[in-house]
Amino acid sequence: NAGVTQTPKFRVLKTGQSMTLLCAQDMNHEYMYWYRQDPGMGLRLIHYSVGEGTTAKGEVPDGYNVSRLKKQNFLLGLESAAPSQTSVYFCASSYSVTGMTDTQYFGPGTRLTVL
Amino acid sequence: DAKTTQPPSMDCAEGRAANLPCNHSTISGNEYVYWYRQIHSQGPQYIIHGLKNNETNEMASLIITEDRKSSTLILPHATLRDTAVYYCIVRLGGYQKVTFGTGTKLQVIP
Repeated sequence: NAGVTQTPKFRVLKTGQSMTLLCAQDMNHEYMYWYRQDPGMGLRLIHYSVGEGTTAKGEVPDGYNVSRLKKQNFLLGLESAAPSQTSVYFCASSYSVTGMTDTQYFGPGTRLTVL
Repeated sequence: DAKTTQPPSMDCAEGRAANLPCNHSTISGNEYVYWYRQIHSQGPQYIIHGLKNNETNEMASLIITEDRKSSTLILPHATLRDTAVYYCIVRLGGYQKVTFGTGTKLQVIP
């Protein structure tokens, strides 16, 4: 199993450009998440999905959109990139058995710089 | 989710046990204690979790006090590869976002 993979690993954008980050998992997990991490800070949740075709906002959703058309993929889109979106983006996935907790597994991250 | 308090940094000699404390005095009865770590520039890695009882796996041991207001992560024989930021997280089960604080930066010293 590859686990959680993210593409691309690095990207540099100019202000106003758009891009999509792809997260893929091969563990058949129901839940997927997008986080961002800024220097000296913990991870902050951007958006998440509890199943195929469903998405929801996290703590810092502004400026981002997401889609979960397939269970194994979770896409994060930036329609008009801003320098404030310079960050490292992590995707995670998890499953949950009713009445029990779940464990999130993280991808290696995408380092995005917006000039 | 309950908030947690961790020391910002700790040192540990290689080969010795690393004991990382975490306070979570407002934890509720159905919240779990989770530990993750993040090695520089990598994605967070799950270590261990528990509800009430102490837990042990191949990576670490988790000791939760009887009142559940604090816990300790124990790395029995720390190696240089254990140098990382360790996050203590308290959260409910089921799908839930993981709220990371700033964690404890553990430096394992040769």
